[in-house]
Amino acid sequence: ILNVEQSPQSLHVQEGDSTNFTCSFPSSNFYALHWYRWETAKSPEALFVMTLNGDEKKKGRISATLNTKEGYSYLYIKGSQPEDSATYLCALSGRLVQGAQKLVFGQGTRLTINP
Amino acid sequence: ETGVTQTPRHLVMGMTNKKSLKCEQHLGHNAMYWYKQSAKKPLELMFVYNFKEQTENNSVPSRFSPECPNSSHLFLHLHTLQPEDSALYLCASSQRGPGTSGGRETQYFGPGTRLLVL
Repeated sequence: ILNVEQSPQSLHVQEGDSTNFTCSFPSSNFYALHWYRWETAKSPEALFVMTLNGDEKKKGRISATLNTKEGYSYLYIKGSQPEDSATYLCALSGRLVQGAQKLVFGQGTRLTINP
Repeated sequence: ETGVTQTPRHLVMGMTNKKSLKCEQHLGHNAMYWYKQSAKKPLELMFVYNFKEQTENNSVPSRFSPECPNSSHLFLHLHTLQPEDSALYLCASSQRGPGTSGGRETQYFGPGTRLLVL
C-alpha cells in the first residue's frame, strides 16, 4: 500500500519570500511522482511529473526536485506572490491497471501568501 | 480550464434521493476516474475506466454506481447515501499516448461536485 506524506500541512509566507515543502513516499514503491496545484473552487492543475532520481523540473518561479533513493521530493517557490496561494498536492503513480493510471495522493500543503 | 467539466457543481440531497453526477472530457482521453475528497483527507480514488471498461473499484460501497457510456462521459449514480458521504467528488481523465511509459501521464481534473447529504 502506498503512503504519501506531505509536510507541513499548512504554511503562511510573506509576499516576496521563498518557501519549500516536502512530499515523502516509500522509495521501494516509486514509479512516478506528480505535483499538482489546487486553487479553491478550481480544478487541480498539473505542475510536474517526475520519474528519475535527481530529476529537477522548473516552471517559472516554481521548481521541484526528486530523490527516489531516500523517498522524497521538494517543491520550491521563489519570491512568493499572492497568486501562489493554493493547496499543493503530491501524488505517486502505482502500477498500471489495464492501461489506466492509479494515483495515490498526499493530504496536501495549503500555502497562504500574506501581502 | 482543464477540458474536464462536471455538473452540477453543488448538490444537496436527502438519504432517500437518487441523483447523478456527470463528467465530460473534451480532450480525447481514453481513461476516466472518479475521486472523493472528504474533509481533512487526501483525494481518494474510487473508480477507473479505460476505453469504457471499469478497471478499478477501490472498495466503494454499492450505493455509488458508476457508468461510462463512452470515453468522453462518466457518471456517478448516487442512491440512499449517508451523511458521511458528503464530500467533494472529482472527475479526471488521462491518455496513454504511443511510446509513453505508463504511470507518467498527467491526469486532468474537473472542478468537482460538492455534495451534501442530509
